[in-house]
Amino acid sequence: DAGVIQSPRHEVTEMGQEVTLRCKPISGHNSLFWYRQTMMRGLELLIYFNNNVPIDDSGMPEDRFSAKMPNASFSTLKIQPSEPRDSAVYFCASSLWGASTDTQYFGPGTRLTVL
Amino acid sequence: DQQVKQNSPSLSVQEGRISILNCDYTNSMFDYFLWYKKYPAEGPTFLISISSIKDKNEDGRFTVFLNKSAKHLSLHIVPSQPGDSAVYFCAASADFGNEKLTFGTGTRLTIIP
Repeated sequence: DAGVIQSPRHEVTEMGQEVTLRCKPISGHNSLFWYRQTMMRGLELLIYFNNNVPIDDSGMPEDRFSAKMPNASFSTLKIQPSEPRDSAVYFCASSLWGASTDTQYFGPGTRLTVL
Repeated sequence: DQQVKQNSPSLSVQEGRISILNCDYTNSMFDYFLWYKKYPAEGPTFLISISSIKDKNEDGRFTVFLNKSAKHLSLHIVPSQPGDSAVYFCAASADFGNEKLTFGTGTRLTIIP
C-alpha cells in the first residue's frame, strides 16, 4: 500500500492567493483527518470526516479555511485568501473506522509558506 | 488552553541510557493516550498507547506509564538507540473510542552516540 498521499509537498505562495492542499487516504479507510503543525501549538486537528461526511470542523481557524471530501479516495483543504500566519506543515491522516483506538496513518505533509 | 502539554521542547540522552519523555494533561475526560514519533520530512507514526484502566503498557524497549491522579504520562525508552532520535508527540482522546485526538507540542529527542 502506498500509504496516505499528499500533494504538493511544498507550496510557496503570496499573501492573498488561494491555496489548495490535496490528500488521498489509504484505500479502505473510512476516516480522514486534517492537521496543522506549528511550533507554538504542535499538531492541531482542523477537521475530520467519516464516510466522506464532515464530523467535526471546530478546529478550522476561520472562514478562510474549507475542506471537502467528494469521495472516499480524495480530500482537499483550501485556504482563501491565504495569510502569512497560515504558514505551517499540514498533515492528512486516515484510519480504518476513526476510533481513537484505530491507528491514524499520516501522510508526509505539505509545507506551506505564505509570503 | 493547551490541554496536552509537553513542557520539554528538547531532550538529549546518551546512547544506551534511558530516555524519559513527559506529558501532562488538564482534561479529566481524557481516557486514552497515545505516543507518536516523527522523523524530519515525514508524517508522525504511531508508537504506543495506553487506556485509563491501566497504569503501564510495555512494547519492547518502549513503556508508557500513566498516573491518572497527577494527570501525567511518560514514555520510557530503554536502551536508547540513535534511531530513536525524533520528535515525540503525546496525544489524548476523551470517550474511549472517540476519534478526535488532542496532541501536545512535541519533544525533540536526540540520542548522542
